[in-house]
Amino acid sequence: GNSVTQMEGPVTLSEEAFLTINCTYTATGYPSLFWYVQYPGEGLQLLLKATKADDKGSNKGFEATYRKETTSFHLEKGSVQVSDSAVYFCALRAPTGRRALTFGSGTRLQVQP
Amino acid sequence: DSGVTQTPKHLITATGQRVTLRCSPRSGDLSVYWYQQSLDQGLQFLIQYYNGEERAKGNILERFSAQQFPDLHSELNLSSLELGDSALYFCASSVEGAGADTQYFGPGTRLTVL
Repeated sequence: GNSVTQMEGPVTLSEEAFLTINCTYTATGYPSLFWYVQYPGEGLQLLLKATKADDKGSNKGFEATYRKETTSFHLEKGSVQVSDSAVYFCALRAPTGRRALTFGSGTRLQVQP
Repeated sequence: DSGVTQTPKHLITATGQRVTLRCSPRSGDLSVYWYQQSLDQGLQFLIQYYNGEERAKGNILERFSAQQFPDLHSELNLSSLELGDSALYFCASSVEGAGADTQYFGPGTRLTVL
């Protein structure tokens, strides 16, 4: 079946540091890939997405590239801010069949001033 | 604001009770998904409705049921509640269709079973 694996957290960084959160997936065919962010006490917000191989999703300084050869969709940001502190979820949506999202376990990011 | 609304925001109840969670999708979205977020299981898909019909089931317990009404709002019914049902319940809506992959999430209902 489909699955998503994320790096364990928490990830603690200083402000302006470079961020990478690793995400790899297992799926048949070409799923759509997503990063969602959950701020404390809130629901999930779509951060970015990519729907085919080599696509790069980007938003608010965050980027992730759909790598079919390594089945990865790592999230990166060049300079994090305290306001980026949240839990980040990688997710996939199968190209056919059930259309629900399969989520990774989430990675908590803590950015210190 | 995603445009998806959920009520109530918080719900505290006792074991053995029954509760109903409500979700209103974004205007124009025909599909509603329900997800459960718990500390031990993470985010899990429960069930999907599309234009009033059940379309897919995930890890939904037999004690749980859902429906989608003609105005497209959806309700998730949880009965014979157990302590382990305490979790955050999200609904998400989507247009569905080629190229329309994005699901938009509501703020969630936090259920506490005492």
